[in-house]
Amino acid sequence: GESVGLHLPTLSVQEGDNSIINCAYSNSASDYFIWYKQESGKGPQFIIDIRSNMDKRQGQRVTVLLNKTVKHLSLQIAATQPGDSAVYFCADRTNFGNEKLTFGTGTRLTIIP
Amino acid sequence: EAGVVQSPRYKIIEKKQPVAFWCNPISGHNTLYWYRQNLGQGPELLIRYENEEAVDDSQLPKDRFSAERLKGVDSTLKIQPAELGDSAVYLCASSLGPGSYEQYFGPGTRLTVT
Repeated sequence: GESVGLHLPTLSVQEGDNSIINCAYSNSASDYFIWYKQESGKGPQFIIDIRSNMDKRQGQRVTVLLNKTVKHLSLQIAATQPGDSAVYFCADRTNFGNEKLTFGTGTRLTIIP
Repeated sequence: EAGVVQSPRYKIIEKKQPVAFWCNPISGHNTLYWYRQNLGQGPELLIRYENEEAVDDSQLPKDRFSAERLKGVDSTLKIQPAELGDSAVYLCASSLGPGSYEQYFGPGTRLTVT
């Protein structure tokens, strides 16, 4: 079956620095990927998504990179702020029309003031 | 615009007792999802509704879990009887409909079974 996993469970970054959160997926049929941020006591919040026909997408302070050759996804957060501290999940979808997302375990990002 | 609303936020029950969770999706969102999130893990889909029809309930433990979305808006998820292993956060999410990728999550209900 498909799996989505993260390389590191925790990550600490100095405030103002850039952070990179990595994610590996196993299903080459995955066509859509999404990053969510989850703060303590809250539900996951959409950050950014990318389709499999793209290799990079930028948002406000965030960039998602997709490398289909090695089935790797990363989330880059620029100029981190204390409010960026949260757990970050990547998720994928296997095929168009199937709305099921499969989530990875998550990485806890801590911003050090 | 109001987000996805869930209640209660917290629930503590003894094992073998029943429990129910309620979800009100974002207005106009036809697709509704129930997820279970264990501590330190990502959400896992339990059931997905398109309007009032359950189109994917393959991960729902049907011996003790049930769900309904009678009028295609609000939904309830029930567990009867609850077991210790059911302790988790139960998340509801909604999206516009088929082909809409972004799911909006509610705050979840944290269930503790003692």
